[in-house]
Amino acid sequence: KQEVTQIPAALSVPEGENLVLNCSFTDSAIYNLQWFRQDPGKGLTSLLLIQSSQREQTSGRLNASLDKSSGRSTLYIAASQPGDSATYLCAAQPLYSNSGYALNFGKGTSLLVTP
Amino acid sequence: KAGVTQTPRYLIKTRGQQVTLSCSPISGHRSVSWYQQTPGQGLQFLFEYFSETQRNKGNFPGRFSGRQFSNSRSEMNVSTLELGDSALYLCASSRGEVTEAFFGQGTRLTVV
Repeated sequence: KQEVTQIPAALSVPEGENLVLNCSFTDSAIYNLQWFRQDPGKGLTSLLLIQSSQREQTSGRLNASLDKSSGRSTLYIAASQPGDSATYLCAAQPLYSNSGYALNFGKGTSLLVTP
Repeated sequence: KAGVTQTPRYLIKTRGQQVTLSCSPISGHRSVSWYQQTPGQGLQFLFEYFSETQRNKGNFPGRFSGRQFSNSRSEMNVSTLELGDSALYLCASSRGEVTEAFFGQGTRLTVV
């Protein structure tokens, strides 16, 4: 059974800092890995999706990398802003269909960027 | 284009009642999945529908059920509500089986 872990659980940084959020998964047989952002009481906003054949994806100040062999993905946020404050979740989609293609989520990293 | 729409946004129900939640996926998306989110358990998979067929079901009791209509809209039903069913219920749609998932704003269910 795929286990997805996110470290740290919470992070507080001053505005302007570059930061890295970590995601690890136990089963490397994944189809893709997706990063989401969730604001309090709201739904999930898709940030980046990395296919298993890719090593990284970039969108604006965000860069996500994937290392399947070590079971790790990182989300890099450059020049953090208070508006980046939210919970960030990673989710791995399994490669094989015997258990379906449901996303396996980590518990998230709660990020606070202070002015 | 319109995103994933979930209705209602908030619900308060009494123990023992039943509830139906609705999800309209992004136009052209045929896969709809449902997740339950609680502070203690995080996001847990409920079930997934593709072209009106339930393809996968998570580890939830039979009180949780769902269906998908020919226009890809989906509903989930929870019967005999328990206090522990209080959660944010999220719906995700995707074009195919293993493509990018897009989530709705969720339905906040409170059982009293």
